[in-house]
Amino acid sequence: SQTIHQWPATLVQPVGSPLSLECTVEGTSNPNLYWYRQAAGRGLQLLFYSVGIGQISSEVPQNLSASRPQDRQFILSSKKLLLSDSGFYLCAIYDAVNYGYTFGSGTRLTVV
Amino acid sequence: SQQGEEDPQALSIQEGENATMNCSYKTSINNLQWYRQNSGRGLVHLILIRSNEREKHSGRLRVTLDTSKKSSSLLITASRAADTASYFCATDPFGNEKLTFGTGTRLTIIP
Repeated sequence: SQTIHQWPATLVQPVGSPLSLECTVEGTSNPNLYWYRQAAGRGLQLLFYSVGIGQISSEVPQNLSASRPQDRQFILSSKKLLLSDSGFYLCAIYDAVNYGYTFGSGTRLTVV
Repeated sequence: SQQGEEDPQALSIQEGENATMNCSYKTSINNLQWYRQNSGRGLVHLILIRSNEREKHSGRLRVTLDTSKKSSSLLITASRAADTASYFCATDPFGNEKLTFGTGTRLTIIP
């Protein structure tokens, strides 16, 4: 079965600092990968998705970027964090067997 | 943008009772999915219902879909304390795996 690893679990960063969140996948190859953000008490907003190495689609204009340097690695980055970047970031993989997402455990980012 | 809106936003019931949550959406869909999120954790896929299906069961879960009303409901029967979580509906309008999530219902089961 496919599993997703996300780290770190929590992160507190000052405004203007860089960001790098990593997501790795096991148990599958050539997956479709997704980054979602969840604001406090809200639903999820799709930020980026990738259908293959080096292929990134951005869903909303923002201060963040994503990269996929390897088939099972998906990275979310920022050069300079804003207060509004605070939130719960979730990596997901599409499960073609169950036709749903499998999510990582998430990273709670607080920008101070 | 939010496609689905869950109702109610919060629900508290006694253990053993049934819990019903509703989801309304705006555009036509290929399928609709329900997810559970325990506090501070990732989401867990519960069940998927396709646009040509009207009802689906999985254990204590029952999902209905009314495409004419653009709405779905999730029923959890014989609730347990472990069912305490937030529940989200998500729609896949084009069958392209890009889901749009609702705002969620926060369910609390009182022991």
